[in-house]
Amino acid sequence: QVQLQESGPGLVKPSETLSLTCTVSGYSISSGGYYWAWIRQSPGKGLEWIGSIYQSGSTYYNPSLKSRVTISVDTSKNQFSLRLNSVTAADTAVYYCARETFGVVSGWFDPWGQGTLVTVSS
Amino acid sequence: DIQMTQSPSSLSASVGDRVTITCRASQGISSYLAWFQQKPGKAPKSLIYAASILQSGVPSRFSGSGSGTDFTLTISSLQPEDFATYYCQQYNSYPITFGQGTRLEIK
Repeated sequence: QVQLQESGPGLVKPSETLSLTCTVSGYSISSGGYYWAWIRQSPGKGLEWIGSIYQSGSTYYNPSLKSRVTISVDTSKNQFSLRLNSVTAADTAVYYCARETFGVVSGWFDPWGQGTLVTVSS
Repeated sequence: DIQMTQSPSSLSASVGDRVTITCRASQGISSYLAWFQQKPGKAPKSLIYAASILQSGVPSRFSGSGSGTDFTLTISSLQPEDFATYYCQQYNSYPITFGQGTRLEIK
């Protein structure tokens, strides 16, 4: 059974960098076959896809966040990570990681991690 | 970006009722549509992908249909555990986008 678990600081100061890690168990990222994604959810914007990465390191990002986002993968630790820089209060959200099954251009998400609340505040 | 619009935004129903939720895409997305269920404080759970294929383990009272721009999620006989918020998501094109959600409440 594949499980994902987010970890990282729950409070980030404005203008600083949000960093989260997703640890995958029950499936080896290096096996390929899936992308690995970050999604966030806030009351104001609902569910928003942030970006995805393949085991090779190939990434694709939401254009609305692309200038501030970096997603990386560490197959030796079976983890992938999110960095979002220059954060503002608008980046306050619950952040989820998920496995992405690809269709043609992009994919759907299953399973999801439990989510972690990140608050941007001084 | 493709806009996904769900209706209704909220819905009250009783156990045993048949319920239908609609999702409309701002442009054609073939059958590249997924549905999720989310309960308070929990992560979304995948129900359906490719518009009509049930995710493994999802009860058969859930069904999905549609293609192009108009899609539906139907729950044939509501159970107490089905009261939740439901989201659609398109994966026909980039960026991936979600509907705003439909909150299903107990009448």
